[in-house]
Amino acid sequence: EAGVTQSPTHLIKTRGQQATLRCSPISGHTSVYWYQQALGLGLQFLLWYDEGEERNRGNFPPRFSGRQFPNYSSELNVNALELEDSALYLCASSLITSGWETQYFGPGTRLLVL
Amino acid sequence: AQKITQTQPGMFVQEKEAVTLDCTYDTSDQSYGLFWYKQPSSGEMIFLIYQGSYDEQNATEGRYSLNFQKARKSANLVISASQLGDSAMYFCAMSPNAGGTSYGKLTFGQGTILTVHP
Repeated sequence: EAGVTQSPTHLIKTRGQQATLRCSPISGHTSVYWYQQALGLGLQFLLWYDEGEERNRGNFPPRFSGRQFPNYSSELNVNALELEDSALYLCASSLITSGWETQYFGPGTRLLVL
Repeated sequence: AQKITQTQPGMFVQEKEAVTLDCTYDTSDQSYGLFWYKQPSSGEMIFLIYQGSYDEQNATEGRYSLNFQKARKSANLVISASQLGDSAMYFCAMSPNAGGTSYGKLTFGQGTILTVHP
């Protein structure tokens, strides 16, 4: 069974540009989560999508947005990029097993803003 | 709000020895889940083990075991018989609901870098 996939693996942008990151969940998973992992910092929750709807949002400005498609894949868009947006962006999908939920992560997209 | 604290920025262990990675948490929720993830240098987060707040027995998964002490609010990860491939960053995390959805997010600690020496 294929795991969570993310594309691209690396992305280089300049300040003010827009970045689009993509995620495909594990087959059968309907929830997708996005996290930001900046250098030296832990993982920060960004967004949660389930059944095509945004269900929860972390403490990030509105220029971080996304969507979930009917096939449950997801896109994260970051507008008006700033230097501090440089980070590893991790996507996870989840399955509730035996009454509890485990999030499974993809390999991440490394975004560098110059 | 939930909070995870990992006080060991780095740990060193000899190959084949056991090592304990510390994790303490703070929550006012009665129902919650605790997780450990491994992050190699490649960046991918690998799920290792889970413990629910109502589970009375400590979780085990192969060489991994979770030493859950609810009264102390600690959920330490024990890795037995360390291998060179265990060298990685390890994150402790918690979710607000052990019985179903996490409401969309995990709260992560700052991580511990484990280095296994031959």
